[in-house]
Amino acid sequence: DQQVKQNSPSLSVQEGRISILNCDYTNSMFDYFLWYKKYPAEGPTFLISISSIKDKNEDGRFTVFLNKSAKHLSLHIVPSQPGDSAVYFCAAIPHGSSNTGKLIFGQGTTLQVKP
Amino acid sequence: NAGVTQTPKFQVLKTGQSMTLQCAQDMNHNSMYWYRQDPGMGLRLIYYSASEGTTDKGEVPNGYNVSRLNKREFSLRLESAAPSQTSVYFCASSPPRELAGANVLTFGAGSRLTVL
Repeated sequence: DQQVKQNSPSLSVQEGRISILNCDYTNSMFDYFLWYKKYPAEGPTFLISISSIKDKNEDGRFTVFLNKSAKHLSLHIVPSQPGDSAVYFCAAIPHGSSNTGKLIFGQGTTLQVKP
Repeated sequence: NAGVTQTPKFQVLKTGQSMTLQCAQDMNHNSMYWYRQDPGMGLRLIYYSASEGTTDKGEVPNGYNVSRLNKREFSLRLESAAPSQTSVYFCASSPPRELAGANVLTFGAGSRLTVL
């Protein structure tokens, strides 16, 4: 029972264009959503988060949108750069688990940004 | 700036063998975690330790034991390895909740384990 789903295993975009990575969740009882980025042979690194009471959070080229009615969040990268090529994981923190690090991860989406 | 350090990076075991994955963090974080990553599954929590001296099960604890040796170190032990435990294992740590809006984890580089 996958509570956090990333249905697109891969995405390819041209440098300078927008990358949109999507994530769906089935449980409404999440306090926070996070995006992590992972390069080969490295651990995931935190990218951006959003509280469940917000609908948008922006940090430089990265913006996360949360649509609670659709149980959907997306990560927008504008403009995309070749260095953004990585695996992106969506993750959620269940209600009451914000002190435990008990993140629930999606399967990941591999982004390739072509020069 | 070591962050979270895991050893070994690679290990091949035979079914039934035992081994321990070591993890240490130098960020003075209270909480530490072990996750495993499998193709098509994302990362799944095996065990976590909210503070020195405490450990709790995560989503997939069967076949594993953990030890929070001190504030810096958190080890994961496979007593009798099985092929289903072939995976990439990530250790992570996090600061106290009040220092971050969400519980942001810092991950190690991973340990790739193959059980034949």
